[in-house]
Order: sequence, then structure tokens, then C-alpha cells
Amino acid sequence: QQQVKQSPQSLIVQKGGIPIINCAYENTAFDYFPWYQQFPGKGPALLIAIRPDVSEKKEGRFTISFNKSAKQFSLHIMDSQPGDSATYFCAASRTSGANSKLTFGKGITLSVRP
Amino acid sequence: DTGVSQNPRHKITKRGQNVTFRCDPISEHNRLYWYRQTLGQGPEFLTYFQNEAQLEKSRLLSDRFSAERPKGSFSTLEIQRTEQGDSAMYLCASSLGLQGRRRDTIYFGEGSWLTVV
Repeated sequence: QQQVKQSPQSLIVQKGGIPIINCAYENTAFDYFPWYQQFPGKGPALLIAIRPDVSEKKEGRFTISFNKSAKQFSLHIMDSQPGDSATYFCAASRTSGANSKLTFGKGITLSVRP
Repeated sequence: DTGVSQNPRHKITKRGQNVTFRCDPISEHNRLYWYRQTLGQGPEFLTYFQNEAQLEKSRLLSDRFSAERPKGSFSTLEIQRTEQGDSAMYLCASSLGLQGRRRDTIYFGEGSWLTVV
């Protein structure tokens, strides 16, 4: 049972485009939703995160939109650049317990063409 | 550079051999996690330490796997009698784990690649 599902599986956009990556979760106990960026051969790096008490969060060119009733959240990358080409993972966790382990989606490969 | 250090970065071993990976978390981070990642998949949780106590183990962690965190500092992940299915990247992560903090950011290391031939 996959608790966090991402779509699409891959995405190709032109430089300056706005790729949108979607994520859906099942466990309503999740209360922390980060996005991680991973380059080949590297570990995942935190990009931006949101909690369900807000519907949108923006940090630089990255924006998370959150829809609690639909149990969905998405990542928007404004003015995308070739350097944004990477794999993006959404994740979720419960922060109320002793273990704030992350449950990840399968990831989506983004290619930004010059 | 997130500050979580993992060694070795790459390991090729023959099936049946034992391997050990080491993780040095960010200084003062109480929580330490091990994840496994295979090609085309997201990281999967293996186990978690709060200081030196191992508080949770995933069903993915068979009895051939053992993790330790003596003195609550660095951690080791040992895989005994390796199988080809163990080939993956093993990621270590750490966080402050302060009680009551609304944001307990988890920082990952660069991973240790294991290839079992």
C-alpha cells in the first residue's frame, strides 16, 4: 500500500516554464509535507515544506499548494531553469509522535530544456 | 553539504559477504534514521534512533540487518550474508528531534551505494 503517490512520473518543460508536480496522501494523521530534491549520486535535500494549517507557502521560485480536504499537495517551480533538472520527491510524516519518519513518494524526474 | 557524513560512498561485495556502513550525523542531532533507496524509487524507512535507543524498525529490515548507535553519536548499519536484492543506496539522515518543535527538519547524507555481485 503506497501511502504517498506522485504524478506525473516524469516531466519535461522548456526553460522559463512552470512545472507542477502533484502528490496525494492517504493517512490523515500526516501533518508535515516536505518536498525533497535529489540530483544523481546525491542524497535528497529539503526544498520546501508545508503544514496543513496553511493552503500555500512560497520560498523563492518554489511554491507548495495544499488541499487538506482532497488530501493533495503540489509543487510549482516558477521560471524553471536547466539547473532545476532533478528528481523531486514529496513526502509526509506525523510530527506528533516520537518518530517523525518520512514516507516518500516514488519521485518524478524533471527535465528543464534550455 | 548537509553535514551528515556517510562512509564508504560505494561498496562492491560478493554475495554472502558482510558489509558495514557508517553514518556521522549532524552534531547535536538526537534523531538518526536509515533509509534504503533503489533506482526509480523513493527512499524507504528502515530504522530510527533517538539518541542511542533504536525505537523503530521497518519490516524491510530483515534479521540479516543490524543497526547500532553507541553513545548516541555515529551509527553503523551492518548487512550480513548479502544478497543481490540488497543492492541499493543506503541513506542516513538526522534531525534535532526537539520535543514540541513544529518543524523537525530531516537532513540526509549523500548515501552509500551497495552493489552485490
